[in-house]
Parts: sequence; C-alpha cells; structure tokens
Amino acid sequence: AQKITQTQPGMFVQEKEAVTLDCTYDTSDPSYGLFWYKQPSSGEMIFLIYQGSYDQQNATEGRYSLNFQKARKSANLVISASQLGDSAMYFCAMRVSSGYALNFGKGTSLLVTP
Amino acid sequence: DTGVSQDPRHKITKRGQNVTFRCDPISEHNRLYWYRQTLGQGPEFLTYFQNEAQLEKSRLLSDRFSAERPKGSFSTLEIQRTEQGDSAMYLCASRSDRFDTEAFFGQGTRLTVV
Repeated sequence: AQKITQTQPGMFVQEKEAVTLDCTYDTSDPSYGLFWYKQPSSGEMIFLIYQGSYDQQNATEGRYSLNFQKARKSANLVISASQLGDSAMYFCAMRVSSGYALNFGKGTSLLVTP
Repeated sequence: DTGVSQDPRHKITKRGQNVTFRCDPISEHNRLYWYRQTLGQGPEFLTYFQNEAQLEKSRLLSDRFSAERPKGSFSTLEIQRTEQGDSAMYLCASRSDRFDTEAFFGQGTRLTVV
C-alpha cells in the first residue's frame, strides 16, 4: 500500500520569504511519481510540480521546486518569494507504476502574511 | 473550454434519495478518476477508469455507490439511498496515458445531504 504523510497542518510565511512544505511517502514500488497540488479557497485543484522516482535532478517550475530525497522518501515543496496569492491548501500526492490511483496526503494550509 | 467539467456544482438532497453526478473529462484523456473530499482533508480516491473499463475501486466505494463511463468519454457517479455522511465534495479528474503527466481536476460537485 502507498501512503503519503504531510505532518504540518498549517504554516505561516511572510510575503517574499521562502517556505518549505513537508511530504514523506511510503511505497515498495521502485517506479513512482510524486505530485504537488494547490487548492485555493475557491476549491479547484491546481497542479504545481511533478517528480519521477528515476529523475536525477530535483524538479523546478518557476517559484516552485521539489526537494527530492529518495533515500529518506521525502518530497518537500519549496516556494520561493512567497506571494499573498500563495495562501491555500497544498497537497502532496503519489502514483505508482503498478497501480492506478493517485493518492493524496491530508494537506498543509499555508497562510502568507504581508 | 477544454478543461474537466462537472455537473451539477452543488446538490442538496434529502437523506435516502438517490443522486447522480456527471463528469466530462478533457476530450483526449483516456483515464478518469473520482475522488471524495471532506472539509479539511485531502481527496480520497474512489474509483478509476481507463476508457470504459473500471479498473480500480476503493473500499470507500460502498454498494450504494456506482460509477460508469459507458463510451469511454463522460462518466457518472451515482449514490443511492444517500446518508448524511455522504456530504462532501466529489471531484473528477482526467489525465493522458503518459505516466508522468498530471491529472486535471474539475471544480467538483458539492453534495449536502439533509
């Protein structure tokens, strides 16, 4: 079975600062993909970034980067230069090659303050 | 618009009634997911379709729940004899065949059982 753990229910960060949202995962499948999604208060799920288990480099997408530490089974999201519009729920998710489901963690609520 | 669309956006029903939700995925996407999300939680996987075949169902999908994707295009999720515990946001997502691509989510159907 696959499991995603997000241990931070809520985080605060000041505008323009960087913030790291934690995600650990558990799977015995050697081939998997890790995803981060943002869910603003309006409810839509917005894809942010993807990391494959065989990718040699950490993924980056604009202000988002993924700190992938395979041996520790962690896939932390780093948001640089936080903006007020980054305030939202953030979900880490995983899909393994031997399965179909995309499984989500419980999420972290991020509040960016002026 | 080429995004995932869900209908209705909101549904209020009395306990014991049946409800049906519709999802229209992105047209070229063969793979379709249904999720349930309750307040403060991450999306919970319900079921997965590849074309018209339902390939995986979560244990969360009780006998009162049924999903179909008859022609491999749109999908429906029916809940029979609704209970108050069924109150949640029901999310649909679709993705292409490539493993490393993200799932695109609809805006969801919010169900309230009174």
